Amino acid sequence: AQKVTQAQTEISVVEKEDVTLDCVYETRDTTYYLFWYKQPPSGELVFLIRRNSFDEQNEISGRYSWNFQKSTSSFNFTITASQVVDSAVYFCALASGYSTLTFGKGTMLLVSP
Amino acid sequence: ETGVTQTPRHLVMGMTNKKSLKCEQHLGHNAMYWYKQSAKKPLELMFVYSLEERVENNSVPSRFSPECPNSSHLFLHLHTLQPEDSALYLCASSQDQGWPRFFGPGTRLTVL
Repeated sequence: AQKVTQAQTEISVVEKEDVTLDCVYETRDTTYYLFWYKQPPSGELVFLIRRNSFDEQNEISGRYSWNFQKSTSSFNFTITASQVVDSAVYFCALASGYSTLTFGKGTMLLVSP
Repeated sequence: ETGVTQTPRHLVMGMTNKKSLKCEQHLGHNAMYWYKQSAKKPLELMFVYSLEERVENNSVPSRFSPECPNSSHLFLHLHTLQPEDSALYLCASSQDQGWPRFFGPGTRLTVL
C-alpha cells in the first residue's frame, strides 16, 4: 500500500521568510514518481513538479526548490523569500508505475504581508 | 478558451434531485479524471477515462454516474445524493492515461 504524509496541517509565515513543506512517503515499489501540486483559493490544482525515483538530484525553479532523499523517503519543498501569492494549500502525491496518484492531506500555507 | 473548465462552479441540491456536473478540456488530451475533495481528507480519485473509455472506477457509489461522450467532455451525473457527498468535485486531464496534468477549478457541491 502507498501512503503520503504531510505532517504540517497549516504553516503561517511573514513575507520574505523561507518556508519548507515536508512530505514523507511509503511505497514498496522501486520505481515511482513524486509530485507537488498547489491549490490556490480559486480551487484548481496547479502542477508544480514531478520527480522519478531514480533521480535524486535536487531541483530549483526560481524561488522553489525540492529536496528528494530516498534514505528518509522524503520529498520536501522549500519556498525562498515567500510572497503573499504563495498562500495556498500544497499537496504532495505519489504514483507507482501505472497506479493512480496517492495524495497527502495537504499543507495550508498562509503568507502575511 | 484553453485549459480545463467546469460548470457549474457551485451547486446546491436536495437529496432527491438529479443534476449533472460538466467538464471540458481544450488541450487535446486523451485522458480525463474526476476527483472528490472533502474537508480534511486527501483527494480521492473517482473515475478515469482514456480515449472515451472508462478505465478506472474506484468503488464509487452508483449514485454517481460518469459519462464521456468525446475526449473533450466529461460529465458526472448525480442522483439521490447524501449529505456526506458534499465536497469539491475536481476534473482533470492529461495527454495520456497516467497522472493528471491540468485541473479545473472544481464544482462546490452542497447536498441538503
